[in-house]
Amino acid sequence: GDSVTQMEGPVTLSEEAFLTINCTYTATGYPSLFWYVQYPGEGLQLLLKATKADDKGSNKGFEATYRKETTSFHLEKGSVQVSDSAVYFCALRSGAGSYQLTFGKGTKLSVIP
Amino acid sequence: GAGVSQSPSNKVTEKGKDVELRCDPISGHTALYWYRQSLGQGLEFLIYFQGNSAPDKSGLPSDRFSAERTGGSVSTLTIQRTQQEDSAVYLCASSFPRTAREIDYGYTFGSGTRLTVV
Repeated sequence: GDSVTQMEGPVTLSEEAFLTINCTYTATGYPSLFWYVQYPGEGLQLLLKATKADDKGSNKGFEATYRKETTSFHLEKGSVQVSDSAVYFCALRSGAGSYQLTFGKGTKLSVIP
Repeated sequence: GAGVSQSPSNKVTEKGKDVELRCDPISGHTALYWYRQSLGQGLEFLIYFQGNSAPDKSGLPSDRFSAERTGGSVSTLTIQRTQQEDSAVYLCASSFPRTAREIDYGYTFGSGTRLTVV
């Protein structure tokens, strides 16, 4: 079955540090890949997505590239801010006709001034 | 409404009692999903409703869990004879399901109901 593995947290960084959160997946076919973010007290929000190999999703300074050869979708940001403190979830949707999202366990990021 | 609304936001219940969790999806979204977020775990798919079609219940963990969707809008997730392992955040999401793009961009989550079974 489909699965998503992401790095365990929590991750604590100083403001302006570089962020990488690793994500690898197992899926049949050609999945769509996502990063969702959950800010404290809020619902999950779509941060970025990619639907095919070598696609790069980007939003709010975050980026992730769909690497089919390594089945990875690592999240990066060059300079984090305190406001980026949240829980980040990597997820996939298996492809045409599929509506169910499969999530990783989430990585809590805390950014300190 | 403007977003997916869930109620209550928090629920504490005694072991063995039944609970009902409510989800009001975005107006016009015909697809509705329930997920469970347990401590230290990812989000776990529970059930999917699409229009008048039979729901996909493949993710329900036991027969104590059931859900219904009335009039194609509001949904209620019911947990009977609650157990401590049912403690989790229950998330509802809705989307337009017609195309992959609509699913991917329109998948909108509510803030969840935090259920604590004591």
